[in-house]
Amino acid sequence: GENVEQHPSTLSVQEGDSAVIKCTYSDSASNYFPWYKQELGKRPQLIIDIRSNVGEKKDQRIAVTLNKTAKHFSLHITETQPEDSAVYFCAVLGGATNKLIFGTGTLLAVQP
Amino acid sequence: NAGVTQTPKFQVLKTGQSMTLQCAQDMNHNSMYWYRQDPGMGLRLIYYSASEGTTDKGEVPNGYNVSRLNKREFSLRLESAAPSQTSVYFCASSEAQDGDYEQYFGPGTRLTVT
Repeated sequence: GENVEQHPSTLSVQEGDSAVIKCTYSDSASNYFPWYKQELGKRPQLIIDIRSNVGEKKDQRIAVTLNKTAKHFSLHITETQPEDSAVYFCAVLGGATNKLIFGTGTLLAVQP
Repeated sequence: NAGVTQTPKFQVLKTGQSMTLQCAQDMNHNSMYWYRQDPGMGLRLIYYSASEGTTDKGEVPNGYNVSRLNKREFSLRLESAAPSQTSVYFCASSEAQDGDYEQYFGPGTRLTVT
């Protein structure tokens, strides 16, 4: 089945710096790649997603890039703010199913 | 529009006890999911229901059963709770068709089995 690896598991940055989180996947038929943000004690919420026919997508300070050949995709957060502190999960939708397989999460801490 | 709701919010069980976690969504979504979240393990799929009347196993189905009662409701049952089932449980729903795959999560149920 699909295998999703996410790195790093923890990331600490200074306010205003950029943060990058990377995920790799195994199934070349996968076609949908979302990122979820989970604040402490809250539910995960979608922040951005990308489909397999697009290489990059931006939404204000966040962007996602996809390299289908290498089977990896990354979340980029620029000009980080303390409210960006949370756990971020990548996920992959299997090519033949409606199931999302999640990475193990990255705890991002933005130091003021 | 409440989105996805779950009950209860917290529960403590003794080993061997049974309980049912309830989930309901008001977005008319086709698909519903149950996940468990453990530290360092991410979100792992227990069971899912692609549409009303169907259920399928996910990554970690052992010790659980589910019922898709109707399009709105999807319950998760622990027949004989074990300490290894101590976790936070999230229900989610999604349209899961026509290119719309965003999953909407409920607030979670924190379960402790002693």
